[in-house]
Amino acid sequence: ETGVTQTPRHLVMGMTNKKSLKCEQHLGHNAMYWYKQSAKKPLELMFVYNFKEQTENNSVPSRFSPECPNSSHLFLHLHTLQPEDSALYLCASSQDRTAEKLFFGSGTQLSVL
Amino acid sequence: RKEVEQDPGPFNVPEGATVAFNCTYSNSASQSFFWYRQDCRKEPKLLMSVYSSGNEDGRFTAQLNRASQYISLLIRDSKLSDSATYLCVVNTNAGKSTFGDGTTLTVKP
Repeated sequence: ETGVTQTPRHLVMGMTNKKSLKCEQHLGHNAMYWYKQSAKKPLELMFVYNFKEQTENNSVPSRFSPECPNSSHLFLHLHTLQPEDSALYLCASSQDRTAEKLFFGSGTQLSVL
Repeated sequence: RKEVEQDPGPFNVPEGATVAFNCTYSNSASQSFFWYRQDCRKEPKLLMSVYSSGNEDGRFTAQLNRASQYISLLIRDSKLSDSATYLCVVNTNAGKSTFGDGTTLTVKP
């Protein structure tokens, strides 16, 4: 079993839909992250959770709503997205918030129509 | 100016070539440095950390110059399987990771 698993791998949604991305890590880490990777842009940090508490929200629009019920699970709830939100959404984990090495899931390729 | 800047690339090299990537960072408070590798349509994976003394892992050598705020990655004897995008990552002591745009390498037979 891989260290960080994300589902679904691909998602197509309309602008009025509500969907959720799921991430689970099996590494015993305490920090989890959501990143966005758009074409020809660097990875952008969206949210950080450390010991289930949100420690960073990088000015992300409210149509993206994270949830972290425990240190192993992270969700990203999506509603009323825009076409420009189409991107690869990557979940990552690290030992804790100050730890240096990030372990990424395989990502969800999201297309908003 | 971007916080982390990498060679724009792309780099197209023959098998067996030696290739070097450069990365500069603007935050002098940066504490730790990494190279990640990202294959097409896949997630980034840690390739190696970068230490002040320089470090080597097989065909890969990473160097850090704090005075010049510069990091490099050298790949010797390139293999077809080295084709990927290489991401420079710089961390502050608060744990903030900043990624470069990446440099794409294609190794050709």
